[in-house]
Amino acid sequence: AQTVTQSQPEMSVQEAETVTLSCTYDTSESDYYLFWYKQPPSRQMILVIRQEAYKQQNATENRFSVNFQKAAKSFSLKISDSQLGDAAMYFCAYRSAFTQYGNKLVFGAGTILRVKS
Amino acid sequence: KAGVTQTPRYLIKTRGQQVTLSCSPISGHRSVSWYQQTPGQGLQFLFEYFSETQRNKGNFPGRFSGRQFSNSRSEMNVSTLELGDSALYLCASRSGGDNEQFFGPGTRLTVL
Repeated sequence: AQTVTQSQPEMSVQEAETVTLSCTYDTSESDYYLFWYKQPPSRQMILVIRQEAYKQQNATENRFSVNFQKAAKSFSLKISDSQLGDAAMYFCAYRSAFTQYGNKLVFGAGTILRVKS
Repeated sequence: KAGVTQTPRYLIKTRGQQVTLSCSPISGHRSVSWYQQTPGQGLQFLFEYFSETQRNKGNFPGRFSGRQFSNSRSEMNVSTLELGDSALYLCASRSGGDNEQFFGPGTRLTVL
């Protein structure tokens, strides 16, 4: 079974600075997808960024980028120029590429990100 | 496009009762997944429905069930509620050709 581990329960960052959230995962599969989701206090889960395991290039979405290390099974999220609106719970998630598992997401425990003004 | 909608948003029940939660996916999405979110267990996959068929099921007791209708709307039912069933229940929908799952706002269930 796949597992996702987020070892940082809580992180703080000063506005306009950069912060990195860590995520490791365990799987025996070679093809899969990784995601970072953001859940603000309003509780609507929003996709921040995604990475296909077969792509070596790290995904980037504006101020958000990932460092995907497939051999190390590591998938960290870097947020640059942090803004007050970035404050939320961040979840790392795994999805198998094998259709037998459908769309099941396996989530980490989450990291609370606090942004200080 | 309208997003994923879930009704009701809040629900209070007592132990032993049953409850039905509803999820309307984004138009055109045929896959609907359900997740339970609690402070202790985090986010856990309940089940997924695709074209009215259960495609995958998480490790939950048989008290948790679901179904999907021909218009892709989905319902989940919890019978004989227990205090531990208090949680935020999230629904997510996905189209066939995209990797992204879109989540609804959730239903907050409190069991007293």
